[in-house]
Amino acid sequence: AQSVTQLDSHVSVSEGTPVLLRCNYSSSYSPSLFWYVQHPNKGLQLLLKYTSAATLVKGINGFEAEFKKSETSFHLTKPSAHMSDAAEYFCVVSGRAAGNKLTFGGGTRVLVKP
Amino acid sequence: DAGVIQSPRHEVTEMGQEVTLRCKPISGHNSLFWYRQTMMRGLELLIYFNNNVPIDDSGMPEDRFSAKMPNASFSTLKIQPSEPRDSAVYFCASSFQRGGVDTQYFGPGTRLTVL
Repeated sequence: AQSVTQLDSHVSVSEGTPVLLRCNYSSSYSPSLFWYVQHPNKGLQLLLKYTSAATLVKGINGFEAEFKKSETSFHLTKPSAHMSDAAEYFCVVSGRAAGNKLTFGGGTRVLVKP
Repeated sequence: DAGVIQSPRHEVTEMGQEVTLRCKPISGHNSLFWYRQTMMRGLELLIYFNNNVPIDDSGMPEDRFSAKMPNASFSTLKIQPSEPRDSAVYFCASSFQRGGVDTQYFGPGTRLTVL
């Protein structure tokens, strides 16, 4: 079985300050991990993915995430938040043991203050 | 690339009516997924197809829901009869599966309101 826990349902940051979105996963086998972003009334857009290559993954829009197997974590960070980063972010786990089905976290809604 | 295309983007209907949602996957992709998103339950996988064949429909809520994929470039999700509790955003996603874990690309969604 696989599962994902996003530790914060809401995160509020000031523009220009760092963003940290926390994600812990559980998976029986080597997982693949993704972060997706959903802007209001839009579909989900892939930010980045980890598939057992480099543990530090760089994505679009300045986001990156680090896979830490010992901590079963895949936290998402960005050094400097922009107003356009206000959205909901989903951490997602998948794996061949689960038939490549995606399991979504509950989402973290990010508010960026000017 | 046009991405995954869904239609309609918004649908408002009355309870008991039939609703059909449409999806055109990314050209060349061989897998297609239907998801439902609600505030209460988050994102749920309803069904997915591989090479136009339904592989897992365990997420389909009940017999009122049906999905088809007559060819590689088109899929439908039908609800008949619709009920207010079906109100949600329905997403279609597609991917190219080649043995490893693939990346799914999502459409913009269809917001369904059943009155």
